[in-house]
Parts: sequence; structure tokens; C-alpha cells
Amino acid sequence: SQQGEEDPQALSIQEGENATMNCSYKTSINNLQWYRQNSGRGLVHLILIRSNEREKHSGRLRVTLDTSKKSSSLLITASRAADTASYFCATDARGTASKLTFGTGTRLQVTL
Amino acid sequence: SAVISQKPSRDICQRGTSLTIQCQVDSQVTMMFWYRQQPGQSLTLIATANQGSEATYESGFVIDKFPISRPNLTFSTLTVSNMSPEDSSIYLCSVRTDSYEQYFGPGTRLTVT
Repeated sequence: SQQGEEDPQALSIQEGENATMNCSYKTSINNLQWYRQNSGRGLVHLILIRSNEREKHSGRLRVTLDTSKKSSSLLITASRAADTASYFCATDARGTASKLTFGTGTRLQVTL
Repeated sequence: SAVISQKPSRDICQRGTSLTIQCQVDSQVTMMFWYRQQPGQSLTLIATANQGSEATYESGFVIDKFPISRPNLTFSTLTVSNMSPEDSSIYLCSVRTDSYEQYFGPGTRLTVT
């Protein structure tokens, strides 16, 4: 089964609002990575957060990691229509030689 | 980061045939992987492509069905053999950089009729 579970499965917001996506996982990790995918195309790497980090920022993105709860969140601030995509978390579990296990994904729709 | 290209970008194939997908990276990388994304689903790891040795396959994937080559540190191929409609998916290669970030190619969209 998938290691990561994301919620919500789908999210619809208006442009300018913030979008928050959550990811939960089951085992100890080395790092967790977030990706964006537009309409079944390739994955765009957004951010990597290591197991000893609690928060990272990149532009309008903010990622948090709580290893005690085995969860992470991705916040997109001031969303734009171009942010419409599917977002996936992927975990690099300890002892797995960098193999990524992907979450189920969140489909984000940003409307004008 | 790493820039990854894949060929072909898409193909429509008849059942029973085989397709070889190529993955080229703009720099030498140790770790290279192949993933599959079935329609409407998340990504599943097929195998780790090891340079100079046999690939390491995940549960549910076998070498006879998905032979992989990795002749050097910048190139790999995945063959989907004896295809059936269930093999219709997007196939993506990825590489891990020294900073442990993994980057993905644009994917190959395969449709089997």
C-alpha cells in the first residue's frame, strides 16, 4: 500500500486564497519531498525537507514536517490559477536506498 | 538540479509488442529510477537502475517484463515487453542528486491497444 496518504484528495479555492495540503506517512524517513504535476505531465520538484528540519520556505511555498506525528503539510500562499495541478508528497524511508514512496496526491483547482 | 529528457514522449502500441523508453540526464548521477503512473493514480517504483549491474526490481515487477539497461552514469532504458492494455501508463525516470533531491523526466505516455 502507499506509504503516504494525502488530504484532502481534492481542493478548490479562489485565486488569492491560501491552499493547505497534508501528507501522512508510516515509517521513519530520511527526507520528504513535494512535487507538482500538471495534467499527467512530468513531476516538478518543489521542495525537500529533511527529517531533522521542521519548516522550509521557497517563494510562496511553506512546508512543515512533524516526525512525531509522521506528517507534513504544504502551504501555498496567495494562490494563482497557474497553481492548478496535482500535488504529491514522497517519502525517502530509512534503509531504502533513496526509493521514494508517493502519497495519493491532492488535486488543487484555483479559480479566478 | 538535473535536466532529464525521455524519448519517446508518447506512443500508441499494439498488444504483444515491446517499447523501449530512453532516459538521458545532463550530468553523471549514481542513482536512477523508473516509475510507473497508471491513469488517475499516484506513482509506483518499478526498479532502481544500477550502473554496470542488473537492476533491482520492486515487488510485482520482473526483469522479463521490464528489462532495464544502465550502460553509464547518464543514460538508461526501460523496455515494456509483450504489452497488454494494462500496461497503459505514464513511465517516468528519475535521478537522485548528491543533495538527495529527486528529479523526474517529462514522462512517456504509453497507450496499448
